[in-house]
Amino acid sequence: GENVEQHPSTLSVQEGDSAVIKCTYSDSASNYFPWYKQELGKRPQLIIDIRSNVGEKKDQRIAVTLNKTAKHFSLHITETQPEDSAVYFCAAPDLGAQKLVFGQGTRLTINP
Amino acid sequence: EAQVTQNPRYLITVTGKKLTVTCSQNMNHEYMSWYRQDPGLGLRQIYYSMNVEVTDKGDVPEGYKVSRKEKRNFPLILESPSPNQTSLYFCASSLLGGLYQETQYFGPGTRLLVL
Repeated sequence: GENVEQHPSTLSVQEGDSAVIKCTYSDSASNYFPWYKQELGKRPQLIIDIRSNVGEKKDQRIAVTLNKTAKHFSLHITETQPEDSAVYFCAAPDLGAQKLVFGQGTRLTINP
Repeated sequence: EAQVTQNPRYLITVTGKKLTVTCSQNMNHEYMSWYRQDPGLGLRQIYYSMNVEVTDKGDVPEGYKVSRKEKRNFPLILESPSPNQTSLYFCASSLLGGLYQETQYFGPGTRLLVL
């Protein structure tokens, strides 16, 4: 089955700087890579996703890049703001088990 | 409003006392799933359901049961809760699930403490 590793587990950046979170996956057949954001005390919500037929996708200050050869994908947040503070989860599909496998999560803190 | 609801939101119980956490969605989704969230371990799937009367084990099914008698409801049952089931639980649903690559919509979570 699919195995997803996420790094770092915690990340602290100054407001206005960029943040990058990386995930690796094991199944080369995986073709869909979403990122979920979980604010304190709230539910995870999808913020961006990428499919394996593209290498990069942007939505305002967030972007996701995918390297299929190396089997890793990354979340990039530019011009960080206090409301970006949250736990971020990456995920990849376990196609055999028909489910999403989540990474361990990254707690991002934006310092004013 | 399209949503996934869970009840209760918070629960303190004692070892061995059976409990049920309800989950309901109003989006006519086929796929529903239960996760538990523990620090450093991310979201781990407990059980999932592809459709009515179709359920299957996830990664950590021990000590849990589920049922899917209606499309909208997917209750999680702990027959004899133990302290290691203390966790934050999320129900989630998606339109088709399985091999279809879709957004999962999460419920608000249920924080369970087993003494």
